[in-house]
Amino acid sequence: ELKVEQNPLFLSMQEGKNYTIYCNYSTTSDRLYWYRQDPGKSLESLFVLLSNGAVKQEGRLMASLDTKARLSTLHITAAVHDLSATYFCAAGNYGGSQGNLIFGKGTKLSVKP
Amino acid sequence: EAGVVQSPRYKIIEKKQPVAFWCNPISGHNTLYWYRQNLGQGPELLIRYENEEAVDDSQLPKDRFSAERLKGVDSTLKIQPAELGDSAVYLCASSWGPSSYNEQFFGPGTRLTVL
Repeated sequence: ELKVEQNPLFLSMQEGKNYTIYCNYSTTSDRLYWYRQDPGKSLESLFVLLSNGAVKQEGRLMASLDTKARLSTLHITAAVHDLSATYFCAAGNYGGSQGNLIFGKGTKLSVKP
Repeated sequence: EAGVVQSPRYKIIEKKQPVAFWCNPISGHNTLYWYRQNLGQGPELLIRYENEEAVDDSQLPKDRFSAERLKGVDSTLKIQPAELGDSAVYLCASSWGPSSYNEQFFGPGTRLTVL
């Protein structure tokens, strides 16, 4: 059974600082998604990582995937207040229903001035 | 292009009452998903449709939950009777195809409160 764990679950950052959110998954999966959710809003897709070693960047966010370690990271560079939100990773259910995603519990990020 | 549309956005009911949620996916998306998101948690899949066929409903509590997707477009998720533990946000998502390689687009969700 595929399980997805994120850490930390809560992250308070100062503006301008760097930090990394980690996403571990328990069984084989080569499909990893990162989503952003603002309070009271739905999920917005940030990155789709489909192969080992994939790296994608958008603005101050960079995501990477290591399928051998079953690990994805979301790196935040020089955080700004606008990045405050909850970030979810989700892995594709490789062995079972291939259309399904298993989500982590989310990392609630708060960027303070 | 319109995104995934859901209604209502909010619903407050008393326990044991029925409730229904409606979803209209992005035009051309043949795969539709219903998720439940409890407070402080990630979304959990309830049911996945490919066109009008429910291909994975293993996580749907069938004693009180039901869903349909007539004509393979709009979908309705129903709870009867609702229990206190059903309070959550119900998210609908759609994708172009069934594989998890295909990006899922989420609707705004329906926040259900059961009193």
